[in-house]
Amino acid sequence: NAGVTQTPKFQVLKTGQSMTLQCAQDMNHEYMSWYRQDPGMGLRLIHYSVGAGITDQGEVPNGYNVSRSTTEDFPLRLLSAAPSQTSVYFCASTRGGRGYEQYFGPGTRLTVT
Amino acid sequence: QQQVKQSPQSLIVQKGGISIINCAYENTAFDYFPWYQQFPGKGPALLIAIRPDVSEKKEGRFTISFNKSAKQFSLHIMDSQPGDSATYFCAASKMGETSGSRLTFGEGTQLTVNP
Repeated sequence: NAGVTQTPKFQVLKTGQSMTLQCAQDMNHEYMSWYRQDPGMGLRLIHYSVGAGITDQGEVPNGYNVSRSTTEDFPLRLLSAAPSQTSVYFCASTRGGRGYEQYFGPGTRLTVT
Repeated sequence: QQQVKQSPQSLIVQKGGISIINCAYENTAFDYFPWYQQFPGKGPALLIAIRPDVSEKKEGRFTISFNKSAKQFSLHIMDSQPGDSATYFCAASKMGETSGSRLTFGEGTQLTVNP
């Protein structure tokens, strides 16, 4: 199993550009999430999904869109990139329910200039 | 508003010493408290987790102590090794069906274990 994979590893965008961060998992996990990691702030939840076709907002959803058409994939779209979105983005998946381990991908480091 | 507060921000320990990281939470609905370990350039990985019905959980050199009345929990790393040098995050999630996908993280502690 590859686990949780993310592409690209690094990305530089100009302000106003849009892009999609890709996330895929091969563990047949029901739940998937996107977090952003900023120095001194830990990881903050952006959006999450509890199954194909079902998504909801986390703590910091503004400027991001998600969709979940399959169990395996959960892409994160930046609509119009801003310097405040410079961060490291992590995708995670879990079997579901209460307290199951979340498996994190290797992250995408995004810089917006 | 940070619902889970973690301290210290950084910690330096000598090899063989005890590393202690503390977390405090506000929301009494939280009922699952994991600790994650992150090495540079990698995603976080689950280290150990506890539920509030027990006051302590031990796995090898790693122990979580939990104080429900004080709304605090801590990670103790016994016999700390240079390989333990990493960033540690405490986290919490609420009761409910979707809680497995919604973790609230502390700010993180960068641990350095000197040889």
